[in-house]
Amino acid sequence: AQTVTQSQPEMSVQEAETVTLSCTYDTSESDYYLFWYKQPPSRQMILVIRQEAYKQQNATENRFSVNFQKAAKSFSLKISDSQLGDAAMYFCVLRRNAGGTSYGKLTFGQGTILTVHP
Amino acid sequence: DTGVSQDPRHKITKRGQNVTFRCDPISEHNRLYWYRQTLGQGPEFLTYFQNEAQLEKSRLLSDRFSAERPKGSFSTLEIQRTEQGDSAMYLCASSLGVVVGEGSGANVLTFGAGSRLTVL
Repeated sequence: AQTVTQSQPEMSVQEAETVTLSCTYDTSESDYYLFWYKQPPSRQMILVIRQEAYKQQNATENRFSVNFQKAAKSFSLKISDSQLGDAAMYFCVLRRNAGGTSYGKLTFGQGTILTVHP
Repeated sequence: DTGVSQDPRHKITKRGQNVTFRCDPISEHNRLYWYRQTLGQGPEFLTYFQNEAQLEKSRLLSDRFSAERPKGSFSTLEIQRTEQGDSAMYLCASSLGVVVGEGSGANVLTFGAGSRLTVL
């Protein structure tokens, strides 16, 4: 079984500052993907960033970057220069990559609500 | 293409009634997924289609739940004899997958805005 744990139910940050959201996971697979999805209030889930487990280099997407520690099974998201539009629920997500029918089955964490103060 | 569409966005029903949700995926996506999200929690996987074939179902999908994707395009999720515990957001997602040599970006899921069910 796969599990994803987000230990921070809520986080807040001042506009233009940096914030880090934590995530740990557990899986017996060696090949998997990790994602951060963002869910703004009453709006659809949007992919923020993804990381392939076999890649050692941490993924970056503009102001968003991850710190992927495979041995520790840790996958944190850093948001730099926070903007008001970053306010949302953030989900850490795990997907095994073992082929067959499990390609799209995502395991979500509980989510972290991020508030951005002007 | 405007993305994944779900209808209705919000449904209020009385316990014991049947409800049906519809999902229209991105047209070129052959994979379609249903997830359920309760308040303050992360979504949980319900079921998955590749084209018209339902390939995987979660234990969460009781006998009262049925999903179809008759022509490999849109999908419906029906809940019979609704219970208050069925109150949740039902999310649909779609993706493009290839059978062999799947690239890292090929199976990223695109989500719809969800259908919120309230059972009184």
